[in-house]
Amino acid sequence: AQSVTQPDIHITVSEGASLELRCNYSYGATPYLFWYVQSPGQGLQLLLKYFSGDTLVQGIKGFEAEFKRSQSSFNLRKPSVHWSDAAEYFCAGGAQKLVFGQGTRLTINP
Amino acid sequence: GAVVSQHPSWVICKSGTSVKIECRSLDFQATTMFWYRQFPKQSLMLMATSNEGSKATYEQGVEKDKFLINHASLTLSTLTVTSAHPEDSSFYICSARDPSARGRSYGYTFGSGTRLTVV
Repeated sequence: AQSVTQPDIHITVSEGASLELRCNYSYGATPYLFWYVQSPGQGLQLLLKYFSGDTLVQGIKGFEAEFKRSQSSFNLRKPSVHWSDAAEYFCAGGAQKLVFGQGTRLTINP
Repeated sequence: GAVVSQHPSWVICKSGTSVKIECRSLDFQATTMFWYRQFPKQSLMLMATSNEGSKATYEQGVEKDKFLINHASLTLSTLTVTSAHPEDSSFYICSARDPSARGRSYGYTFGSGTRLTVV
């Protein structure tokens, strides 16, 4: 069965520091992978997606993610976080339907 | 871009009553819509997949008689929580897939969610 795992429930970084959020997937074939961000009480906003081709994908708000088949990972990165990046981040995967990871809550220290 | 409108954004109802949540695709035809449930500080759990003109497919453990899904048109899917109880209080989010948007985002667009509180 397909599954998506986010090992880190909560991460705190200082403003201006770099960020990496981890995501691991389990699929039989190459999955479609997504990263979403959710602010409290709000819906989901798509940050970026991977279907095929270039394994380093660029998204909105300065985020990028790298698909590594050998590690079954699709980690989200940002070189310098801003206070406004504080939110819940979800990795998701699937083709016919999306399966979500547990989410990682990002806190930014001033 | 594709927009999904979800209403209401929040609702409070009395225990035992039914509540209907609407999910509309505003600028595309959604042959498939998805309903998710999210408890506080938790992830999104897929409840069911609705296909226009056919019965919804429910995920394991979801009571189909309690969570009625209707997808009567290509732009509207509804979720009705019947005989709601406090344990049904949650954040419900819909998602619609635009089959023509495969190259952009594989067509998944999310509504803004509905906060249901049953008292």
